[in-house]
Amino acid sequence: ELKVEQNPLFLSMQEGKNYTIYCNYSTTSDRLYWYRQDPGKSLESLFVLLSNGAVKQEGRLMASLDTKARLSTLHITAAVHDLSATYFCAVDDKIIFGKGTRLHILP
Amino acid sequence: DTGVSQNPRHKITKRGQNVTFRCDPISEHNRLYWYRQTLGQGPEFLTYFQNEAQLEKSRLLSDRFSAERPKGSFSTLEIQRTEQGDSAMYLCASSLLGGKNIQYFGAGTRLSVL
Repeated sequence: ELKVEQNPLFLSMQEGKNYTIYCNYSTTSDRLYWYRQDPGKSLESLFVLLSNGAVKQEGRLMASLDTKARLSTLHITAAVHDLSATYFCAVDDKIIFGKGTRLHILP
Repeated sequence: DTGVSQNPRHKITKRGQNVTFRCDPISEHNRLYWYRQTLGQGPEFLTYFQNEAQLEKSRLLSDRFSAERPKGSFSTLEIQRTEQGDSAMYLCASSLLGGKNIQYFGAGTRLSVL
């Protein structure tokens, strides 16, 4: 059974700092997704990673994938308050989600 | 608006009643997914369709849950004899098979069972 684990589950950080969210999954998968969810809102696609070594960047967010280690990371550079949200990683076509990382950025 | 549309946005019902939710996917998308999300958790896969065919149902999905996608367009999710444990946000997503298969989510239907 495919399992997806994220850590940390909660993260409070200061504006301007850098941090990384980790996503481990238990079996091989063709693709890995990162989503963002704001409170009371639905999910917004951030990145799709399709191959080993893939790296995608959008603004202050950068995602990478290591299929051999079954690990993806979401790196936040110089955090700003607008990035406060819950971030989910997910794998497989049916999309098995992790529990999410609740990110709170303090002004 | 050409995104995924879900109705109703909120539903309050009494235990034991039946409820039905509707999802209208992005028009050219051939895959449609249903998820359930409870507070503080990630979305949990329920079922998905490719065109009108229901290809998979979660083992966790009770027999009280049924979904249809007639003609491969909109989909309905029905819950019979609702229980308090059914209270959750029900999310629908659609995607175009092939390529990145990115799923686009609707705003969800929040169900409260009293």
